[in-house]
Amino acid sequence: AQKITQTQPGMFVQEKEAVTLDCTYDTSDQSYGLFWYKQPSSGEMIFLIYQGSYDEQNATEGRYSLNFQKARKSANLVISASQLGDSAMYFCAIAVGGTSYGKLTFGQGTILTVHP
Amino acid sequence: DTAVSQTPKYLVTQMGNDKSIKCEQNLGHDTMYWYKQDSKKFLKIMFSYNNKELIINETVPNRFSPKSPDKAHLNLHINSLELGDSAVYFCASSQNYPNPNQPQHFGDGTRLSIL
Repeated sequence: AQKITQTQPGMFVQEKEAVTLDCTYDTSDQSYGLFWYKQPSSGEMIFLIYQGSYDEQNATEGRYSLNFQKARKSANLVISASQLGDSAMYFCAIAVGGTSYGKLTFGQGTILTVHP
Repeated sequence: DTAVSQTPKYLVTQMGNDKSIKCEQNLGHDTMYWYKQDSKKFLKIMFSYNNKELIINETVPNRFSPKSPDKAHLNLHINSLELGDSAVYFCASSQNYPNPNQPQHFGDGTRLSIL
């Protein structure tokens, strides 16, 4: 079974500063994918970034980057130059193939609040 | 064009009723999922279909029955609704099987409230 742990229930950041949201994972599979999703107060789930277990480079998508440390089983999300619109709930998730058929196992989420 | 669309967006009903939620995706994906988000915002997989075939059925009461008439549609029927069924239900799709390297695209969710 897979497990995701997000230890920060809430985080605060000043506008224009960078923030790191923590995520650790547990799986016995060698092939897996790590995902971050954003859920604003309006409720939809927005895909942000993906990291494959065999990817040697850390993933980046615009202001989002994923700090992937495989030996530590961590996949932290870094948001640079925070904006007010970044205030939302952020979920880390893992998917494996095989008999799990790519289902996502989510962490508890971190609420990010960006202050002006 | 909406990639994954769910209807209805809101569903308010009495305990004991039967209701359905519909989901359609126009991304050409083979795999579709239903997730439940509880009041504490925790998301958990319920079901998954791959090419109309049920491939994941987590520990979900028998009152919940998914149906996939074709690979673009996955509906969720709930019988004898209970107070504990109040939640947000998300449909998602991906091309994530057999390799989990593609993101799942989510619908906007259906907020189910049981009175």
